[in-house]
Amino acid sequence: AQSVTQLDSHVSVSEGTPVLLRCNYSSSYSPSLFWYVQHPNKGLQLLLKYTSAATLVKGINGFEAEFKKSETSFHLTKPSAHMSDAAEYFCVVSDPSGTYKYIFGTGTRLKVLA
Amino acid sequence: GAGVSQSPSNKVTEKGKDVELRCDPISGHTALYWYRQSLGQGLEFLIYFQGNSAPDKSGLPSDRFSAERTGGSVSTLTIQRTQQEDSAVYLCASSLAGTRTDTQYFGPGTRLTVL
Repeated sequence: AQSVTQLDSHVSVSEGTPVLLRCNYSSSYSPSLFWYVQHPNKGLQLLLKYTSAATLVKGINGFEAEFKKSETSFHLTKPSAHMSDAAEYFCVVSDPSGTYKYIFGTGTRLKVLA
Repeated sequence: GAGVSQSPSNKVTEKGKDVELRCDPISGHTALYWYRQSLGQGLEFLIYFQGNSAPDKSGLPSDRFSAERTGGSVSTLTIQRTQQEDSAVYLCASSLAGTRTDTQYFGPGTRLTVL
């Protein structure tokens, strides 16, 4: 069965410092992995996705993630946090059993301190 | 172009009443998903529609929940005899073809509160 584990429920960083949000996955297939962001009272927005092409994936707003098969990880990073990055972030794996429904991690709430 | 839209944005109902939630997917998207986001359970899959195929209802939590998709476009999620534990944000998503690499685009959600 597919699953994702987000290792931190809350992360706080100062504005201008790097962001690291950790995600580990479990999959018996070559996974499709996604990161979504949810700002307060807003819908889910795709940041980036990995679908077995390049292992380093670049997304919107300066975010990127690296797929590491040996570590079963797909951590999200950004070199310099901005106040507008404060939100909840979800790591997602696509279930390959036919529907490709999303299986969500429990989310990481990012706080950016001025 | 227009994204996924959902209505109503908020719904407050009394325990025992029926509710209908509507989703308008992106035009041309054949796959449509419903998810539920609640404090205790996080984000969980409810039901999936793909074209004219039989829906995958494996995520529906009880037989009080049902959904239909008319004409391969608009979908309605119906909850009968609502309970307080049904309170959650109900999210709809659509994707172009429902494949492994497809991106799902989410609507803003319907916040359901059962009193």
